[in-house]
Amino acid sequence: DAMVIQNPRYQVTQFGKPVTLSCSQTLNHNVMYWYQQKSSQAPKLLFHYYDKDFNNEADTPDNFQSRRPNTSFCFLDIRSPGLGDAAMYLCATSRDMADPTQYFGPGTRLTVL
Amino acid sequence: RKEVEQDPGPFNVPEGATVAFNCTYSNSASQSFFWYRQDCRKEPKLLMSVYSSGNEDGRFTAQLNRASQYISLLIRDSKLSDSATYLCVVNSGAGSYQLTFGKGTKLSVIP
Repeated sequence: DAMVIQNPRYQVTQFGKPVTLSCSQTLNHNVMYWYQQKSSQAPKLLFHYYDKDFNNEADTPDNFQSRRPNTSFCFLDIRSPGLGDAAMYLCATSRDMADPTQYFGPGTRLTVL
Repeated sequence: RKEVEQDPGPFNVPEGATVAFNCTYSNSASQSFFWYRQDCRKEPKLLMSVYSSGNEDGRFTAQLNRASQYISLLIRDSKLSDSATYLCVVNSGAGSYQLTFGKGTKLSVIP
């Protein structure tokens, strides 16, 4: 059974048209992360939630926002996608501070036209 | 200096070969170390954690050298299904639950 689920798997949007990506988990983990990964690059952390506490990376553009309405769900909102935002967006979870092992969802591949 | 550095490869090896990947990390306070495997256009999946004493899981052996800030992964008897990118991953400092990823080393196992 899938433990970290992302929807949709593929998303096509137009330049400047807002888009929301979703992630859910059945692991009951405290921490949820959003990464951006481009071809041949390492996953780049955008932000994460530890429980309800939001932690933004210093170099994450304001164009990217996130919401975590409950333990299971986390959303990534891209307010005005640009061509440079085309990438794979990966959601991951980890249990807590004591165990940093991260478990990834299958990702959402975003195309910006 | 990059935080986690790996040779990007590609490593092209025949089936049955033994191949080793290396990784260096810059944060001496890091305490947790992992190898993840990522198939083309898929998500990273945990291959194994790396312990100070070294650890083995079937054909895979991981070693950690804290003094040199160096991690290795050895794959014996390579299979076609081992073809993937292998990501070296390190926690971001003492007590940190955040992870820093290397760019990965690409392995192609050839029939």
